[in-house]
Amino acid sequence: GENVEQHPSTLSVQEGDSAVIKCTYSDSASNYFPWYKQELGKGPQLIIDIRSNVGEKKDQRIAVTLNKTAKHFSLHITETQPEDSAVYFCAASSTGTASKLTFGTGTRLQVTL
Amino acid sequence: ETGVTQTPRHLVMGMTNKKSLKCEQHLGHNAMYWYKQSAKKPLELMFVYSLEERVENNSVPSRFSPECPNSSHLFLHLHTLQPEDSALYLCASSQDSGLLKGEQYFGPGTRLTVT
Repeated sequence: GENVEQHPSTLSVQEGDSAVIKCTYSDSASNYFPWYKQELGKGPQLIIDIRSNVGEKKDQRIAVTLNKTAKHFSLHITETQPEDSAVYFCAASSTGTASKLTFGTGTRLQVTL
Repeated sequence: ETGVTQTPRHLVMGMTNKKSLKCEQHLGHNAMYWYKQSAKKPLELMFVYSLEERVENNSVPSRFSPECPNSSHLFLHLHTLQPEDSALYLCASSQDSGLLKGEQYFGPGTRLTVT
């Protein structure tokens, strides 16, 4: 089955700096890679995703890159703000019947003033 | 709000109790999921329903029993739980076809404590 590794487990950046979180996956059949943000007391919220037919996707301050050959993908957050502080999860799946996401262990991002 | 609601938000139950968790999605999706989230572990997929048929059961103990009466509702029936079952139980839904295939939307979760 799929195995997803995520690094780092904790990340502290100053407001305005960039943050990068990296994930690797094992199953070459995986073709869908979402990123979720989870704030305290809430469920994970989908913030951006990428499919295997593209190498990069941007949405305002966040971007995701995908390297299919190396089987890794990354989340980039620029101009970080205190409200970006949360736990971020990467995931991978192959979009067959009822996509089954395999999640990384999460990165706790702390944005300090 | 993601369009997925879960009740109750918090539940404390003894090991001999029977309780049920409820999930409802208002997104018109046709697939629903139960996940378990424990401290310092990745989210674990427990059950998957697509078009109201169970398509995945990831070796979950029989003390957890899912029910999907229609495409908008999902239940998780609990009985004779163990303290290690204490966790955040998350429900999610997705549209199992089309361009948005794969995008899962989560509810806020039920924080379960087994005493």
